[in-house]
Amino acid sequence: EPEVTQTPSHQVTQMGQEVILRCVPISNHLYFYWYRQILGQKVEFLVSFYNNEISEKSEIFDDQFSVERPDGSNFTLKIRSTKLEDSAMYFCASSTNQDSNQPQHFGDGTRLSIL
Amino acid sequence: AQKVTQAQTEISVVEKEDVTLDCVYETRDTTYYLFWYKQPPSGELVFLIRRNSFDEQNEISGRYSWNFQKSTSSFNFTITASQVVDSAVYFCALSESLLGAQKLVFGQGTRLTINP
Repeated sequence: EPEVTQTPSHQVTQMGQEVILRCVPISNHLYFYWYRQILGQKVEFLVSFYNNEISEKSEIFDDQFSVERPDGSNFTLKIRSTKLEDSAMYFCASSTNQDSNQPQHFGDGTRLSIL
Repeated sequence: AQKVTQAQTEISVVEKEDVTLDCVYETRDTTYYLFWYKQPPSGELVFLIRRNSFDEQNEISGRYSWNFQKSTSSFNFTITASQVVDSAVYFCALSESLLGAQKLVFGQGTRLTINP
């Protein structure tokens, strides 16, 4: 079964540094998402992306964040100048609405630790 | 505004007991999707079920069953004959989009512990 893959599984970064989280969505999916889960808390929506532009973003997704689909397969989340509070698990997801019965599929997540 | 409430923060039962996880949602839309995801200790999110607002039929899949009641805005999840492998955090989620990008709004999650 096709799956969403995320790399790295764990990223440790110094505060103030830039970090790029990478995702390879399922190949025939059209909609891409990033979510965040701070340790022990609920999963929170960050951004959705379709047709090479942002469809919707949350209040969390401020100017420090950006997303990009640099080629036909990767979908990246960049945090420009990381803060301690950016430490969380970041999940990528993808979906297709060609068939309305298809749910969002999540990757295994990248655990981001800011020191 | 969308909101999902899972009032049970933690539940602990003995193996083979039945357990029900509650989910109550708020939405102004008449059409929407509801979801359950499982997050085992390894951390990934595993899709369990999706239900659209037009379909109030209960669903059973093996030991899992879901009770969707629009009248009470609830979408409860029952595990019968629980097993230790069912131990995980379970999230209920809501999407108001039937087409296009589906922003999921998650509840706080219920940590389920099944003791041998």
